[in-house]
This record gives sequence, C-alpha cells and structure tokens, in this order.
Amino acid sequence: SQQGEEDPQALSIQEGENATMNCSYKTSINNLQWYRQNSGRGLVHLILIRSNEREKHSGRLRVTLDTSKKSSSLLITASRAADTASYFCATDGPGGYNKLIFGAGTRLAVHP
Amino acid sequence: DGGITQSPKYLFRKEGQNVTLSCEQNLNHDAMYWYRQDPGQGLRLIYYSQIVNDFQKGDIAEGYSVSREKKESFPLTVTSAQKNPTAFYLCASNPRGQSNTGELFFGEGSRLTVL
Repeated sequence: SQQGEEDPQALSIQEGENATMNCSYKTSINNLQWYRQNSGRGLVHLILIRSNEREKHSGRLRVTLDTSKKSSSLLITASRAADTASYFCATDGPGGYNKLIFGAGTRLAVHP
Repeated sequence: DGGITQSPKYLFRKEGQNVTLSCEQNLNHDAMYWYRQDPGQGLRLIYYSQIVNDFQKGDIAEGYSVSREKKESFPLTVTSAQKNPTAFYLCASNPRGQSNTGELFFGEGSRLTVL
C-alpha cells in the first residue's frame, strides 16, 4: 500500500505561473521528502522537511507540512519550462528511513 | 565525479532468462537500495542493504535476488521467477550514521523489457 499520494496526478501551466502539488500520507512520519524525476531519468532530491517543521524554503521551492492533516504541499514559484518533470513525495513511515514510501507522483508540464 | 552508475541503461530479456543489473557507487555510502518503477506508479522497494554482506527484503522481493560483497556494488538479479519483470529499475544509496539526512541519491536507472 502506498503511504504518500500526490494530487493532482497531472498539472499543466504556463511559464511564470506557480505550481502547487499536494501529498497525503497515512501513518506518522519523522520526515517527508520531495523528489523530482525528468522523463526516463533517476530521481533527484529536492527538499526534506521534518515532522516538527511547518514550512521550508529552497530557492523557488516552498514546502509545507501539516502533520495533523497528514499532508504536505510543494509550491514552485515562477515556473520555467525546465521545471517540466514528475514530482514525488516520500515518507519514512513505520519502516524508518530505510523503507521510504513513494507516492505515484504529479506530472508537471510547463509550457513556454 | 561522485555518483551512482547503473548499467545497462536498456536491457531486453527473453522469458525464462535471468538478468543482472549493475549498480556501482563511489560515494562511500553504506546503504544501498533497489526500487522498481512502473508507469503511473510510485517507486516500490525491492531490496536494501545497510552494510556489506547484509541485505534485507523490501516490499516486492519475490523473483529478485541481490548480493553485497563490496561496499561499492549492489547488483540485482531479475530471475525467471519474476512474473512481470518489465519495468524501470532504480538504484539508490545513502550514507547512514551521523551524516545521513535521509536523502537518497539515485542512479539514472535501467529499463528492462521482456520480449
């Protein structure tokens, strides 16, 4: 069973717009991570937020975490065509950091 | 440059054949992982290893085998017992211990197609 589930499954926007992706999970966590995957490539780590943090920033990325709702959001501001990729959330869940559980991802398309 | 190298990038297999996917890392990481990715789905954990000569089953280990004879290497064998092996396979690592932030470092993946 999947711990993290992203919403929406796909998102299409124009360059310059903001993109927001959401992730929900089922069990308590120590941290939640967001990864990016370009088509046919490996995943690249974007940002990690710990369970005692509510918001974290990295460049054009803003991640929020609401442990009471078991949800997180990833906001990409001023999107660029190069941001086109799939974005996955991953949680450590009951198995700890050795057993990260990934959601199905959000496919983001940014049009010039 | 430090990183994780997976090979081959593309692999075709006939039914009934075993194939081995290579994963090598020069990051000096203790822990290594194999994930499987199917279209429209998230990654699923096949096997992981926290230290040389030790490995643990993940959520979908049936039909797969691994070895960890060297810190740098964690090959995955897809056996004929795996009923639906066509997928994208990703190898990852992390350092464990005090330097571990929980972040996984991924290779570029190997795409296996059964003919």
